[in-house]
Amino acid sequence: QQQVKQSPQSLIVQKGGIPIINCAYENTAFDYFPWYQQFPGKGPALLIAIRPDVSEKKEGRFTISFNKSAKQFSLHIMDSQPGDSATYFCAAIARSAGGTSYGKLTFGQGTILTVHP
Amino acid sequence: DAMVIQNPRYQVTQFGKPVTLSCSQTLNHNVMYWYQQKSSQAPKLLFHYYDKDFNNEADTPDNFQSRRPNTSFCFLDIRSPGLGDAAMYLCATSRASGRAFGNEQFFGPGTRLTVL
Repeated sequence: QQQVKQSPQSLIVQKGGIPIINCAYENTAFDYFPWYQQFPGKGPALLIAIRPDVSEKKEGRFTISFNKSAKQFSLHIMDSQPGDSATYFCAAIARSAGGTSYGKLTFGQGTILTVHP
Repeated sequence: DAMVIQNPRYQVTQFGKPVTLSCSQTLNHNVMYWYQQKSSQAPKLLFHYYDKDFNNEADTPDNFQSRRPNTSFCFLDIRSPGLGDAAMYLCATSRASGRAFGNEQFFGPGTRLTVL
């Protein structure tokens, strides 16, 4: 129930393409869903995040779509660039639900994105 | 700029030789986390401090310990590193108030640990 399942494991697109990364969760106590971008040898950096009362959030070229009833959310990268090549992690957190798991990030397995010039 | 700093960035140790990794933050966050990340895997939470309260994950080996002498600093001690402990160790911080945790966790750049 604590898992966040992420797919695909790897993704290759051409410059200008729109890669889509999908995540699904089971724990209805999750109330915040961040996406992290990680470059090799660096720590994860928060990219964009969404709360479950919002169906879509856009920041620059990055868009999160959220389907609460299906317990799924996805990241779209518009007009992808070679500099977007990185590993992307979706995550979920129960910020105030109580219990032993609250306040802890549950990460998806990660997607290695490669954007060819 | 407010940030999370980890030292050293690269650490080489010998099998069984104790090692300490450090993390400092200028964000004045009251929660600090330690994660272990192995190649091609997601970060795995080892433990976290909520203020001075230490919270250990159930599956964190006893070989891993932590200290938080003040708000700004947190240390990860590996008492007897094994070859399987070679990984990137990430420190992160967050702000919490009562039972409500903050939206964001801010990660440091990590320390790459090599065990020979």
